Amino acid sequence: DTEVTQTPKHLVMGMTNKKSLKCEQHMGHRAMYWYKQKAKKPPELMFVYSYEKLSINESVPSRFSPECPNSSLLNLHLHALQPEDSALYLCASSQTGTSGNQETQYFGPGTRLLVL
Amino acid sequence: GEDVEQSLFLSVREGDSSVINCTYTDSSSTYLYWYKQEPGAGLQLLTYIFSNMDMKQDQRLTVLLNKKDKHLSLRIADTQTGDSAIYFCAGVSGGYNKLIFGAGTRLAVHP
Repeated sequence: DTEVTQTPKHLVMGMTNKKSLKCEQHMGHRAMYWYKQKAKKPPELMFVYSYEKLSINESVPSRFSPECPNSSLLNLHLHALQPEDSALYLCASSQTGTSGNQETQYFGPGTRLLVL
Repeated sequence: GEDVEQSLFLSVREGDSSVINCTYTDSSSTYLYWYKQEPGAGLQLLTYIFSNMDMKQDQRLTVLLNKKDKHLSLRIADTQTGDSAIYFCAGVSGGYNKLIFGAGTRLAVHP
């Protein structure tokens, strides 16, 4: 089973709202990732968690706040977003995320976010 | 850092072979990947190739890797309408698992 699930599938929010995106995997992976994909562009890495600890933050604005409550779950908390943050947010997982050890990443279906 | 380039669009007739090309700059990636993205969907891992191989075949898919020229290709045999999608090649950058994607090649399959 190589399934990564994400909820919600679609989300519309205003610039003053607070919302959260959720991601779950049951492959026993210990690394989880958030990517952002703008329309007609490739995905770009935002955050990496390895063993529930944030290991990479690609200079993402603080209005995006990731959280990894356990090894199967990854959240992305959103607050005071801008219209330019509208995008497809993809979650992925891999075995350990250990630095220097390349691992295959498996992606979820994404959450399509629209900020009004 | 890694830079990955792909042609943006390919149109083929149903039943023909499709060849999607990719070039990359960083040779440190142990594996190189092909992902498929259908409209409105996430990324599906199609196949990958270990960097010390020059060819990998998986049913209708053939991946060719030319390390000297830093060129990767994906051949889809007997292309079907269900193969219409965007195909991304990807490698990793640096010492951690940061996937760097090409711009994506939109494959259109027509009857």
